[in-house]
Amino acid sequence: GEQVEQLPSILRVQEGSSASINCTYENSASNYFPWYKQEPGENPKLIIDIRSNMERKQTQGLIVLLDKKAKRFSLHITDTQPGDSAMYFCAAPYNTNTGKLTFGDGTVLTVKP
Amino acid sequence: NSKVIQTPRYLVKGQGQKAKMRCIPEKGHPVVFWYQQNKNNEFKFLINFQNQEVLQQIDMTEKRFSAECPSNSPCSLEIQSSEAGDSALYLCASSDSYAEQFFGPGTRLTVL
Repeated sequence: GEQVEQLPSILRVQEGSSASINCTYENSASNYFPWYKQEPGENPKLIIDIRSNMERKQTQGLIVLLDKKAKRFSLHITDTQPGDSAMYFCAAPYNTNTGKLTFGDGTVLTVKP
Repeated sequence: NSKVIQTPRYLVKGQGQKAKMRCIPEKGHPVVFWYQQNKNNEFKFLINFQNQEVLQQIDMTEKRFSAECPSNSPCSLEIQSSEAGDSALYLCASSDSYAEQFFGPGTRLTVL
């Protein structure tokens, strides 16, 4: 399977609260799970990723969790700020031999001041 | 921050015209990917290379699309006969492996 399902598609949170985005994947051989942030008119920027030999990774205000058994990974943004407002995409490699990524449909995050 | 260079940033073509865009990967990155992001923000993988060799490409790429990554020259993606449905953001990404992919600014193609 190639699909990566991402939910929710729209997320509105109050400044200072946390935001969570969840993704599920089909390919059990997938071994790398990146998250991209894309602001309007800009290119996607890699903000954090996790490999299959880890269950949790944290950098600055971002936490990624991976549950290989459930084929699920999630992004948690703690203490959200208006600057976190953007579109977020998860991805997983459909083909680990070539690196081809399959992307989720994206989550529009709005952080209200 | 990504050091991938893509030119031009904007490209406007009429239907049936050729559209060509270029990508210079980050120094030391042997793997180059091309993705198309449509107006609904959906990503579609087109093709990728390791050095000059094609690793994988989709069927669509074999027809109107062509791409290459010659030695010591920018990589390129060319649409032989543009169609309205090709209007999209074309993203080039490079990687030092098959994992972390860093995107360039993209070429936004509009086919009138």
